[in-house]
Amino acid sequence: QVQLQESGPGLVKPSETLSLTCTVSGGSISSYYWSWIRQPAGKGLEWIGRIHTSESTNYNPSLKSRVTMSVDTSQNQFSLKLSSVTAADTAVYYCAREVTETSNWFDHWGQGTLVTVSS
Amino acid sequence: SYELTQPPSVSVSPGQTASITCSGDELGDKYACWYQQKPGQSPVLVIYQDSKRPSGIPERFSGSNSGNTATLTISGTQAMDEADYYCQAWDFNTHVVFGGGTKVTVL
Repeated sequence: QVQLQESGPGLVKPSETLSLTCTVSGGSISSYYWSWIRQPAGKGLEWIGRIHTSESTNYNPSLKSRVTMSVDTSQNQFSLKLSSVTAADTAVYYCAREVTETSNWFDHWGQGTLVTVSS
Repeated sequence: SYELTQPPSVSVSPGQTASITCSGDELGDKYACWYQQKPGQSPVLVIYQDSKRPSGIPERFSGSNSGNTATLTISGTQAMDEADYYCQAWDFNTHVVFGGGTKVTVL
């Protein structure tokens, strides 16, 4: 059974860069798209972006200027960097595996990690 | 940018049918999927490609998609189905789009 686990600092200062890593276990990271999705407290889901193991990326247009994603297939990990953070970036951040067969859906999710932006 | 609209809340009595709608421009020409999220938990896929159920999802969950509206139907709703439900679709420009979520309350 594929499992995903987010890791990274739970507290980031305003204007700094948020960095998270997702470790995939129980299966290969290869040949899939891997996404980051966030959820502010009490609010809905927001897709941040995705990366394929070929290193192809797609980002949410509203966040594109601040987002960078990378993948390390040797470690079965992928990562998110979000620059110039503000309090509005405070959220639970999920990593998820995306299945793409004619359409797309997320079949495996991490447990989520809370990132708070505060000085 | 492409948007999906869901009602904020739906109430249903135990054993009855709950219908949750998700509206978007020509959504029927795309595929929709649905996630269930209980408090403090990660979302769980309950419907993909409009109407397919992943392994382990009860048969009481079903989906449809036509015109501008996708619908998640929970037949014989149980107390354990009380949760937030999110629709999701793919748009060429916006890529992944989520609806705003619907809170299902089983009264």
